[in-house]
Amino acid sequence: QKEVEQNSGPLSVPEGAIASLNCTYSDRGSQSFFWYRQYSGKSPELIMFIYSNGDKEDGRFTAQLNKASQYVSLLIRDSQPSDSATYLCAVTGDYKLSFGAGTTVTVRA
Amino acid sequence: DTAVSQTPKYLVTQMGNDKSIKCEQNLGHDTMYWYKQDSKKFLKIMFSYNNKELIINETVPNRFSPKSPDKAHLNLHINSLELGDSAVYFCASSSGLAGGNYEQYFGPGTRLTVT
Repeated sequence: QKEVEQNSGPLSVPEGAIASLNCTYSDRGSQSFFWYRQYSGKSPELIMFIYSNGDKEDGRFTAQLNKASQYVSLLIRDSQPSDSATYLCAVTGDYKLSFGAGTTVTVRA
Repeated sequence: DTAVSQTPKYLVTQMGNDKSIKCEQNLGHDTMYWYKQDSKKFLKIMFSYNNKELIINETVPNRFSPKSPDKAHLNLHINSLELGDSAVYFCASSSGLAGGNYEQYFGPGTRLTVT
């Protein structure tokens, strides 16, 4: 059974729209949740992390966490072509990060 | 200056060979990791070290042996390479153990191709 699940996509959105990415996890003891962005052929880079229920905003990005539902999401507002990448959800547990398979986002100009 | 560096960037070798990948971080972090990313882009932890001590050893074949000579270096040696070892291997580091709110910084990756 997968520990972290994401919709694989691809998710195609027009420029300027909101991209919504979802992630569910199985370990109720997980405390911290991360969103990484990975461009093709590059290494993952952190966008933001969240550890409290509710919303956390950073620029055009908003992370949402609901521990009761074991659900974390990422919203990208005013999507730009430069946002086209794979977004990886990662969840802590047992001194390690468990990653989802990623959601590929394509922003259409 | 590169925060986390890996060498080589590309590695093409034949089945049965032994190869090593080196990783160095200049961030002063205590914890380093090796991840494997397969063709489906799934990123999976292999090993983690904290202050040169092995913390995580996932279900990885014992053909894979990590070595941490000091806190800034974590190398990966692979014996008797198999076709299924073909993947991108990422080194990463963080200032604290995964489980806390510590960002992991990834190296550029080493693309290993076994023929």
